[in-house]
Amino acid sequence: DGGITQSPKYLFRKEGQNVTLSCEQNLNHDAMYWYRQDPGQGLRLIYYSQIVNDFQKGDIAEGYSVSREKKESFPLTVTSAQKNPTAFYLCASSIDLDNVKEPQHFGDGTRLSIL
Amino acid sequence: GNSVTQMEGPVTLSEEAFLTINCTYTATGYPSLFWYVQYPGEGLQLLLKATKADDKGSNKGFEATYRKETTSFHLEKGSVQVSDSAVYFCALTGSSSNYQLIWGAGTKLIIKP
Repeated sequence: DGGITQSPKYLFRKEGQNVTLSCEQNLNHDAMYWYRQDPGQGLRLIYYSQIVNDFQKGDIAEGYSVSREKKESFPLTVTSAQKNPTAFYLCASSIDLDNVKEPQHFGDGTRLSIL
Repeated sequence: GNSVTQMEGPVTLSEEAFLTINCTYTATGYPSLFWYVQYPGEGLQLLLKATKADDKGSNKGFEATYRKETTSFHLEKGSVQVSDSAVYFCALTGSSSNYQLIWGAGTKLIIKP
């Protein structure tokens, strides 16, 4: 079955450490997204990518970085500059950015906590 | 700008009760509308969608009708089950928001046996 795989499910970060969250999709989707979800709140867009080697900042990109070297993969690095990284991180994909009638598909998320 | 407003939760119902979760939106043009569901500890799943006025999306007994005249997309189910307990998100995309999904804050639904 096609889908989105996020790993790990739980991740712990020490102060001053960078950590990378993995996101892989086998849906052959062009567009991929990273969201942050805080308790009791909706989703906020961190970064998105329309095609390989291209990505754009979302609403809360500070303290995060991404890469898109392969169509299937869109890893997110939470850097030490992100002072409040504890959250639930969700990766999503869609057919492409322009086809707004098609939904985004989500992975099961990674929960990041500070040690 | 575009926005989505959902009724605040939690919404607590008994099993077999009728469910309505209100969602209203502000948008220019003709957005597409979505309901997503998030079960505890999981990612989001698309529940249903509607892409033009008067469309009715339906799935797993849930329904929502795209009402442009009232800018609403209320989620309904005739008889809820304990397994429906989750957080429900209303979202829109299209028009001036282009690709970006605009999210409501989510409504937590608790169904008691």
